[in-house]
Amino acid sequence: ETGVTQTPRHLVMGMTNKKSLKCEQHLGHNAMYWYKQSAKKPLELMFVYSLEERVENNSVPSRFSPECPNSSHLFLHLHTLQPEDSALYLCASSFQGMNTEAFFGQGTRLTVV
Amino acid sequence: QQQVKQSPQSLIVQKGGISIINCAYENTAFDYFPWYQQFPGKGPALLIAIRPDVSEKKEGRFTISFNKSAKQFSLHIMDSQPGDSATYFCAASAGAQKLVFGQGTRLTINP
Repeated sequence: ETGVTQTPRHLVMGMTNKKSLKCEQHLGHNAMYWYKQSAKKPLELMFVYSLEERVENNSVPSRFSPECPNSSHLFLHLHTLQPEDSALYLCASSFQGMNTEAFFGQGTRLTVV
Repeated sequence: QQQVKQSPQSLIVQKGGISIINCAYENTAFDYFPWYQQFPGKGPALLIAIRPDVSEKKEGRFTISFNKSAKQFSLHIMDSQPGDSATYFCAASAGAQKLVFGQGTRLTINP
């Protein structure tokens, strides 16, 4: 276990559904990230939260809505997704402000039908 | 300039051979270069990392070679084993900035 837990591990949702992905870290880190991993593409950074403030949003469509209620929890709220949004969504955490290891969760495999 | 270019995209090596994955970057401010290993169904995990004050770092069968002047770094896996079959990502960051990942290399070690 990496200390970063994501739920659910698998999710199938219709295009009109609303669902949320959850991430929890027990490492005392102060930065959390959402990444999207699609087949044959590099890891795409979606959002960065540092000290519970969103510091980066890499032109992600508004159908993805992140939430960071505290330094240990990160959510990704999903609504009216498209089939091309099907991917592995990875959460990561680290200490912000220094070059240290980023710890990843196991990811949520999302399929949009 | 924020990109890290990784090659090859896929690599097949015989058991016992040497696996070599290469990465190149442009941003001279990068000062931390980790490699991540990802098995199917798992998130990436840090394998080994190097800072530009050294040209090589070795941990067991895994070695990073770093060429600052060429702005390149590579991962060498000696005596490659089937259990090394995974996707490998190089990455780089500058100071407090986020990690920038390469495109990934799918490594297959044939028994």
